[in-house]
Amino acid sequence: DTGVSQDPRHKITKRGQNVTFRCDPISEHNRLYWYRQTLGQGPEFLTYFQNEAQLEKSRLLSDRFSAERPKGSFSTLEIQRTEQGDSAMYLCASSLADNSGNTIYFGEGSWLTVV
Amino acid sequence: QKEVEQNSGPLSVPEGAIASLNCTYSDRGSQSFFWYRQYSGKSPELIMFIYSNGDKEDGRFTAQLNKASQYVSLLIRDSQPSDSATYLCAPLGSYIPTFGRGTSLIVHP
Repeated sequence: DTGVSQDPRHKITKRGQNVTFRCDPISEHNRLYWYRQTLGQGPEFLTYFQNEAQLEKSRLLSDRFSAERPKGSFSTLEIQRTEQGDSAMYLCASSLADNSGNTIYFGEGSWLTVV
Repeated sequence: QKEVEQNSGPLSVPEGAIASLNCTYSDRGSQSFFWYRQYSGKSPELIMFIYSNGDKEDGRFTAQLNKASQYVSLLIRDSQPSDSATYLCAPLGSYIPTFGRGTSLIVHP
């Protein structure tokens, strides 16, 4: 039983470059979440999918950020024209929509450093 | 107004003691509440969830929920140095868990 998988685990990029992160959720999970976490803060919600539909997007998410989940399985998060303030850990999580309280399980995270 | 409030700590307890971690939340529509543990540099790991008022026990962990007071807590009995981590509270509202900034727990031998 594999957990949530994220790739790459670490990325260093120059300011202004584009980066893309991939997330493979737990296989039967139909909900997928992206969060961002900086030092000393809790995970901050970015966006959420149910199957292939993006149902909610944080107001804090600028138009440089875009996420997709084209076939309702894996998801990608792209950041265009990266800025130093984008440096953070990007967390993907998934859950199964049932009566268990929508417990979400996190991947190991993708660390982004913008230099 | 912050949606989820946690004392950032650090909360320092001796090994073998009970650690008490508290969380208040503002969304009265929250139905489920999660506690996650996060070691430095790692991703959050689920400890337990609770959705009914009262207590729920799982091993050394007990979650307590009081919806009227919008308060949820986590008790860790017989604290071990390996419990030293940040503990995140996350109420679930509208399918999206909202996280507090977490409480840092240090268990010293």
